Amino acid sequence: AQSVTQLDSQVPVFEEAPVELRCNYSSSVSVYLFWYVQYPNQGLQLLLKYLSGSTLVKGINGFEAEFNKSQTSFHLRKPSVHISDTAEYFCAVISRGNAGNMLTFGGGTRLMVKP
Amino acid sequence: NAGVTQTPKFQVLKTGQSMTLQCAQDMNHNSMYWYRQDPGMGLRLIYYSASEGTTDKGEVPNGYNVSRLNKREFSLRLESAAPSQTSVYFCASRAGQGANTGELFFGEGSRLTVL
Repeated sequence: AQSVTQLDSQVPVFEEAPVELRCNYSSSVSVYLFWYVQYPNQGLQLLLKYLSGSTLVKGINGFEAEFNKSQTSFHLRKPSVHISDTAEYFCAVISRGNAGNMLTFGGGTRLMVKP
Repeated sequence: NAGVTQTPKFQVLKTGQSMTLQCAQDMNHNSMYWYRQDPGMGLRLIYYSASEGTTDKGEVPNGYNVSRLNKREFSLRLESAAPSQTSVYFCASRAGQGANTGELFFGEGSRLTVL
């Protein structure tokens, strides 16, 4: 079984400040990792993903995440946020080689960027 | 380019009523999914369809049924709605078959309230 924990349900931050959204996962096998973003009243869209290779992954809108296998973490970072980054962010995991279709999501972190 | 389209966007039901949520995708994707989103719980998989003609239960299937009508369409039915089914429902699709590398395309959601 796999699970995802997002440690912060809400993260308030001022515009142009750096931000880190934390994600820890649990799985008995190797995993693929994802961050999805949900803007108000919209569906989710993929922000970035880690499948293999470099542990530092860059996504859209200046976000990046680092896969840390020893700490089973995949934290999302941005050096300088904008008002338009206000959204809910979901970390997700799927076990490698899983021919099934069970992508497991964390509970979400609401990023609130203040002027 | 419509992507994944869900109808209706909003619905209010009384306990015991039935309804069907419709989903269609125009990306020629093989796999389709229904999730529900509840505050603090992220997205939980209700049912999925790996290909036309097949459906499987996800994490929270009780109280729901699905139909994969053709490759484009995947509907979710509530036979006798309960207040616990008040939620936002998302349909998603994925290209390819075999091992899931997790990139899903989501609709904009259907907000259901059961009184």
